[in-house]
Amino acid sequence: AQSVTQPDIHITVSEGASLELRCNYSYGATPYLFWYVQSPGQGLQLLLKYFSGDTLVQGIKGFEAEFKRSQSSFNLRKPSVHWSDAAEYFCAVTSGTYKYIFGTGTRLKVLA
Amino acid sequence: NAGVMQNPRHLVRRRGQEARLRCSPMKGHSHVYWYRQLPEEGLKFMVYLQKENIIDESGMPKERFSAEFPKEGPSILRIQQVVRGDSAAYFCASSLPGQGETQYFGPGTRLLVL
Repeated sequence: AQSVTQPDIHITVSEGASLELRCNYSYGATPYLFWYVQSPGQGLQLLLKYFSGDTLVQGIKGFEAEFKRSQSSFNLRKPSVHWSDAAEYFCAVTSGTYKYIFGTGTRLKVLA
Repeated sequence: NAGVMQNPRHLVRRRGQEARLRCSPMKGHSHVYWYRQLPEEGLKFMVYLQKENIIDESGMPKERFSAEFPKEGPSILRIQQVVRGDSAAYFCASSLPGQGETQYFGPGTRLLVL
C-alpha cells in the first residue's frame, strides 16, 4: 500500500542551527512529492514540490529538499532556522493523480 | 486572484446537529477535493468532485457524510448528526482540469463537536 512516513513526530532545534526533516515514501510509480507547512490554526502552505528533473529542489523561505530514489526519501532541509519556522511540516506524495497521501507531520520547535 | 476560500473557519456544533462546510475554489478551477485532518494526524483524502459530479468518494465515511459541487455556488461538505469523533479540521483544495497533481489548499474549517 502507498504510504508516507515522517519518523520524527517532534523536533527541537536552536535558532540559527541547521534543520533536516525526514520523509520516506512507499510508492510503486514515480512519485510527485511535496512539503507543506502549517502554522497553528492555519492552512497548508506549499514549501516546495518535486515532479521530475533535478533532484535537489529549492523552495520558499530558504527551504530545499532532495529526492533520493534509491532511499525512497525526500528530506527537507534548511541551513539556518529562524524562530518563525516553528510550525508543523507535512510531506505528501501522489502518483500524478489527485489523491494526495500525507505523512503524519513533524512538529518543529525553535529555541531562542 | 483569490485563493481557495472556506467558510466558516470555525464551527461549533452539538452532538446530533448538522454541519455544513463550504468551499469556493480558485477562479478557473472546476475540480475540488476535501480532506480531513484528525487531531495529531496528517490530512486524509475524502472526496473528489467536479461540477455536478462526484468522481471519487472512496475516503468518505459511509454514513452521515455527503458532498456536492453544484453548477453554481460553492462545494458543500455536509455532516449529518455529528458526533464527537467528527471534530477535526476539514480542508478543501482545488485544481484546474487535468491538473489534479497540483492542488491549492484553503485555510480549513475547524469543526468542534460538543
